[in-house]
Amino acid sequence: QKEVEQDPGPLSVPEGAIVSLNCTYSNSAFQYFMWYRQYSRKGPELLMYTYSSGNKEDGRFTAQVDKSSKYISLFIRDSQPSDSATYLCAMSSGYSSASKIIFGSGTRLSIRP
Amino acid sequence: GAVVSQHPSWVICKSGTSVKIECRSLDFQATTMFWYRQFPKQSLMLMATSNEGSKATYEQGVEKDKFLINHASLTLSTLTVTSAHPEDSSFYICSAVLGTSAVNEQFFGPGTRLTVL
Repeated sequence: QKEVEQDPGPLSVPEGAIVSLNCTYSNSAFQYFMWYRQYSRKGPELLMYTYSSGNKEDGRFTAQVDKSSKYISLFIRDSQPSDSATYLCAMSSGYSSASKIIFGSGTRLSIRP
Repeated sequence: GAVVSQHPSWVICKSGTSVKIECRSLDFQATTMFWYRQFPKQSLMLMATSNEGSKATYEQGVEKDKFLINHASLTLSTLTVTSAHPEDSSFYICSAVLGTSAVNEQFFGPGTRLTVL
């Protein structure tokens, strides 16, 4: 069993729709949760970062963490064609920058104009 | 913001040759750099952790004699794929961090696509 499971998609939705992306994990030691966006043939860029359970909102993006269910989500409101990319969930058990990050396999998202 | 560059962005080589990939932190000094490998439609897999001035720490299953990592300065780390074979074809991504940063402050480079013929 992989430590982090993520549906690879692809997921295609019309412009303006609400998008829900999810990951499950098995390691209860994970405390720090991140979502990265990766455009084709580019490096990942950090979108959201949360610690432990709860919600965090940043503009059109909302990240949710449910540690009891080992389940994390990213919601995108009013989706735009520019949101089309691969979204990677990631998590770590450590706070420091030297901590190992475990990535999901990524969900390919396409927003149709 | 923190910028990490990689060179080259794309390289094609013949089987059996060696390829060097550079990772540079452009506007900050990185005490730690990470090297990841990403196969198509798969996750980023950590290959090794590189600290300036010391030997790299390799993840289980990564051959240290095949993937040579050098972190000679606070702004440059290199990954050399020695005697490359077609199965080494992949997308190699580095990341860099400040010494006292948090886990979410890894800054990723744009990646290097390696194709071994």
